[in-house]
Amino acid sequence: GAGVSQSPSNKVTEKGKDVELRCDPISGHTALYWYRQSLGQGLEFLIYFQGNSAPDKSGLPSDRFSAERTGGSVSTLTIQRTQQEDSAVYLCASSLLRTSEQFFGPGTRLTVL
Amino acid sequence: DAKTTQPNSMESNEEEPVHLPCNHSTISGTDYIHWYRQLPSQGPEYVIHGLTSNVNNRMASLAIAEDRKSSTLILHRATLRDAAVYYCILSGANSKLTFGKGITLSVRP
Repeated sequence: GAGVSQSPSNKVTEKGKDVELRCDPISGHTALYWYRQSLGQGLEFLIYFQGNSAPDKSGLPSDRFSAERTGGSVSTLTIQRTQQEDSAVYLCASSLLRTSEQFFGPGTRLTVL
Repeated sequence: DAKTTQPNSMESNEEEPVHLPCNHSTISGTDYIHWYRQLPSQGPEYVIHGLTSNVNNRMASLAIAEDRKSSTLILHRATLRDAAVYYCILSGANSKLTFGKGITLSVRP
């Protein structure tokens, strides 16, 4: 079956522009996570969706970052007024249950010029 | 969130077993121990997880200390494709994974 997919795979934008990153989780997975990974660093948790519960936004670095998950499936991560420090690989993961293994997508490499 | 401590790097020879240690002295009773690995230019990949008992799967084995304050990921026969960053992570009630810098495993042919 299909794994987690993300689009675009690469995004280059200018400082100050808004960007939207998309994640298609594995069908039937109730939990969805967003992480980011800066060059040479470990993964940084951003936000977590579980079913119809309120999302855990505790990892969002600023109010320029937001995410939504429509219909319990596809998720979009939006970064407004991008800054150069936002440049990173943004990874999405999904899991069948809250406690089960997470399957990661290939990531979106964001470059802010 | 409880934290884990891993060495920065380790080298191994191909075809030999590899033991990757992880300390988690502040682990709580409900924390699961997860291991993920990340190959170059790829997203992380699940390896194994456990709570109290040792676990085996087709990829690796996980040995958990009796007091749960440490664990060891065991790759029984390292291959060149096992060269990656291995992350030891504790997952609590909210299942949020907090990745550290992991341990970089190099495999010599």
